[in-house]
Amino acid sequence: GAGVSQTPSNKVTEKGKYVELRCDPISGHTALYWYRQSLGQGPEFLIYFQGTGAADDSGLPNDRFFAVRPEGSVSTLKIQRTERGDSAVYLCASSQGTSNYGYTFGSGTRLTVV
Amino acid sequence: RKEVEQDPGPFNVPEGATVAFNCTYSNSASQSFFWYRQDCRKEPKLLMSVYSSGNEDGRFTAQLNRASQYISLLIRDSKLSDSATYLCVVRKAAGNKLTFGGGTRVLVKP
Repeated sequence: GAGVSQTPSNKVTEKGKYVELRCDPISGHTALYWYRQSLGQGPEFLIYFQGTGAADDSGLPNDRFFAVRPEGSVSTLKIQRTERGDSAVYLCASSQGTSNYGYTFGSGTRLTVV
Repeated sequence: RKEVEQDPGPFNVPEGATVAFNCTYSNSASQSFFWYRQDCRKEPKLLMSVYSSGNEDGRFTAQLNRASQYISLLIRDSKLSDSATYLCVVRKAAGNKLTFGGGTRVLVKP
């Protein structure tokens, strides 16, 4: 597609439930990044894929968070046993491999845990 | 200490005036530097890369001081449409993750 697409744009879930957030990167981009942004803060790194493999998952806050990219294109961020503190905007970005340029973000998924 | 620090502002700027603000980074291994702009409830968008010799893009000028580990952004002839949050971003190596500061909010008023 023309840009990075994220679905859903908004998700409200109850505490303790499981959620999946989807990211469809720009066609041909091999690198994909997940970030989380809380109100009034800058985006916080979660995980980075190069192709199908997670090149750096150091930003995942705990084992309730997991992400996959099985075919090297679409990625899914999975959050188990959601907590109110997980409420944030989850941003996905993609870039052309080891490009030295910045990358393009999707419009994000606003997750609210009630 | 955060890896990238910014004054959160807001910087209240009269239309037509010049505004400048800095960000500091703690990792001396950082190689690439960027300014992103983020409008309210929108995703961040790349404004400009920052080069060692400094660079301009229209009304925007970015500077890098490696010795003191800070980056600056200057906006000349401010427009109402420049009102946004400006995010300072660093990266250790090509292809690696970007690390964001908390953002500096700029409000341009008539």
